[in-house]
Amino acid sequence: QKEVEQDPGPLSVPEGAIVSLNCTYSNSAFQYFMWYRQYSRKGPELLMYTYSSGNKEDGRFTAQVDKSSKYISLFIRDSQPSDSATYLCAMSRSGNTGKLIFGQGTTLQVKP
Amino acid sequence: DTGVSQDPRHKITKRGQNVTFRCDPISEHNRLYWYRQTLGQGPEFLTYFQNEAQLEKSRLLSDRFSAERPKGSFSTLEIQRTEQGDSAMYLCASSLDRDGTQYFGPGTRLLVL
Repeated sequence: QKEVEQDPGPLSVPEGAIVSLNCTYSNSAFQYFMWYRQYSRKGPELLMYTYSSGNKEDGRFTAQVDKSSKYISLFIRDSQPSDSATYLCAMSRSGNTGKLIFGQGTTLQVKP
Repeated sequence: DTGVSQDPRHKITKRGQNVTFRCDPISEHNRLYWYRQTLGQGPEFLTYFQNEAQLEKSRLLSDRFSAERPKGSFSTLEIQRTEQGDSAMYLCASSLDRDGTQYFGPGTRLLVL
C-alpha cells in the first residue's frame, strides 16, 4: 500500500464548476501538506502549503486538512480552462527537512 | 529568471551510456533535492543536500546513480550504464532551511533506447 493515495482521474468538468480533489494517507507522522499543479511536460508548481489540520484559502483555491481522518482536499472555485493540469498532493514529516511524499496526481480537464 | 533551472531539458541516450544532469537552485537556497517522475506517477524522492552535504538517499538510488553538490550551489546527477528503466523525468527542487517550501525546476526528460 502506498503512503499517499490519490485518484488519478481523469476528471472532466465544465468551466465555472467547483472542483474537489482529494488524497488519503496512512502515516500519521505527516505534518505538512502541499498541493502542486503540473502542466504537461513541466515541473510541479506549488499552489498551497498547510501545516496540520484546518483550512487555508488563496483566491479560488481552498486547501483542507483533516488529520484525524488522514484526508486532505483541494477545492477550486469557478474553474477555468487554464486550470486544466495534473494536481499532485504532497506531504512531509517535517517542514524544513527532507523528502516530500507525493500522490499519483489527478488529471483535471476544464471544458469551455 | 530566478527560478530553479535544469540542463539539459531533454536527453536521448543508448542503453549502457553514462549521462549527467545539472541543476541550478534558486540563489541562496541551501537545500537541494532530486526526484524522479515516471509517466502517470507522482515524483519520487531520490536524494537531498544541505549545502554540500548529501543528507539522505532513497533506496531508489542504486549504485549506478551518484549526485554531487561540490560547492553548495549547483548539483549534478550522474547515471552510469543507463538502462531502459531509467527513462523518466528527473526533477530538481530547492528550498531554504527556515522554510521547507520546495520549488521545482522544469525537469530533464531522459529517454534510454
